[in-house]
Amino acid sequence: AQSVTQLDSHVSVSEGTPVLLRCNYSSSYSPSLFWYVQHPNKGLQLLLKYTSAATLVKGINGFEAEFKKSETSFHLTKPSAHMSDAAEYFCVVRGGYNKLIFGAGTRLAVHP
Amino acid sequence: NAGVTQTPKFQVLKTGQSMTLQCAQDMNHNSMYWYRQDPGMGLRLIYYSASEGTTDKGEVPNGYNVSRLNKREFSLRLESAAPSQTSVYFCASRQGGGQDNYGYTFGSGTRLTVV
Repeated sequence: AQSVTQLDSHVSVSEGTPVLLRCNYSSSYSPSLFWYVQHPNKGLQLLLKYTSAATLVKGINGFEAEFKKSETSFHLTKPSAHMSDAAEYFCVVRGGYNKLIFGAGTRLAVHP
Repeated sequence: NAGVTQTPKFQVLKTGQSMTLQCAQDMNHNSMYWYRQDPGMGLRLIYYSASEGTTDKGEVPNGYNVSRLNKREFSLRLESAAPSQTSVYFCASRQGGGQDNYGYTFGSGTRLTVV
């Protein structure tokens, strides 16, 4: 069965510093992995996706993630945080019948 | 604008009342999904419809029923609402098929409170 574990429920950074949101996955086959973002009281927006092509995936708003099979990880990074990045981030793996399986989420706070 | 439309956006129910959450997509997608979002638990799949005419249970189906009315519409019904069903509900759709790029589109959510 497929699953994802987000290692931090809350991350706090200062504006202009790097962001790292950690995600480990479990999958019995080559996974499809996603990062979604949810701003307060909003719906979900796809940041990026990995579907067995390049292991370094670039997404919107300067985010990127690297698929590391040896570490079963798919961490999300951004070189420089912006106030508008404050949101909740979900690591997601595609399961059977193309269902999405979500992690518990990481709430990112960005301080001036 | 093309996308997934959910109605209503907010609803308060009394325990035992029934209601139907509506979802419609205008992208000619084959698959549709209902998720619920609870704090600290991410989104969990309630029911899904892989194609018109089919529905299947997800991770947390108890207390819910669904209807895939046609290709566009996928409704979620609570027959007898309980406080444990207080949540934010998201509908999603996906193209599927050989041209699929795993692109899911989510609605903006329905915030349901059961008192």
